[in-house]
Amino acid sequence: DTGVSQDPRHKITKRGQNVTFRCDPISEHNRLYWYRQTLGQGPEFLTYFQNEAQLEKSRLLSDRFSAERPKGSFSTLEIQRTEQGDSAMYLCASSRRSSGTSRYNEQFFGPGTRLTVL
Amino acid sequence: DAKTTQPNSMESNEEEPVHLPCNHSTISGTDYIHWYRQLPSQGPEYVIHGLTSNVNNRMASLAIAEDRKSSTLILHRATLRDAAVYYCILRDSIQGAQKLVFGQGTRLTINP
Repeated sequence: DTGVSQDPRHKITKRGQNVTFRCDPISEHNRLYWYRQTLGQGPEFLTYFQNEAQLEKSRLLSDRFSAERPKGSFSTLEIQRTEQGDSAMYLCASSRRSSGTSRYNEQFFGPGTRLTVL
Repeated sequence: DAKTTQPNSMESNEEEPVHLPCNHSTISGTDYIHWYRQLPSQGPEYVIHGLTSNVNNRMASLAIAEDRKSSTLILHRATLRDAAVYYCILRDSIQGAQKLVFGQGTRLTINP
């Protein structure tokens, strides 16, 4: 399977604990995105990397959230001191860099990590 | 990001065509129209995109109004596997905006 993979698929934690999620993008993709999706809503953008550089962060990404992509391949999303409001599906996506005059770049999504904070 | 408006839900029968509408009256000249869908318990997947002309691919067709203020995703023969939430998204092609801004989408139910 050469798609985007995420680990773990499910995580249950207690309020106040730290959690870390991993995303492995499609190997030739240099762009990586994190989104969060709560029940009944569309995904919301959190942050975006091009190679190892984090180029955009949403205001949704509070100080308790940190994302890294140290070697420009896999990425981690850490949530410190989790709160019940952090319960959601965390989605990772990857894409190629746009080339030439075309700005189009389809994003490929992983299956997500479902976080439940008790 | 320009806003899109979609019906909350639609229902159709298996093997019949489905037309999913999207209004985007504030679209700018450089915005691409994208459609993604999200099957139950999966991440979203790309369906189709276009700028001005109608587009066809193996999954669907995209009909874009002449004034570009609305578009319609067409599934020619719906199957049970097409039951999903369909999102219509605008992305600026010039500024190279990378993020996808999802609305609530249209939940499509397919009856056997």
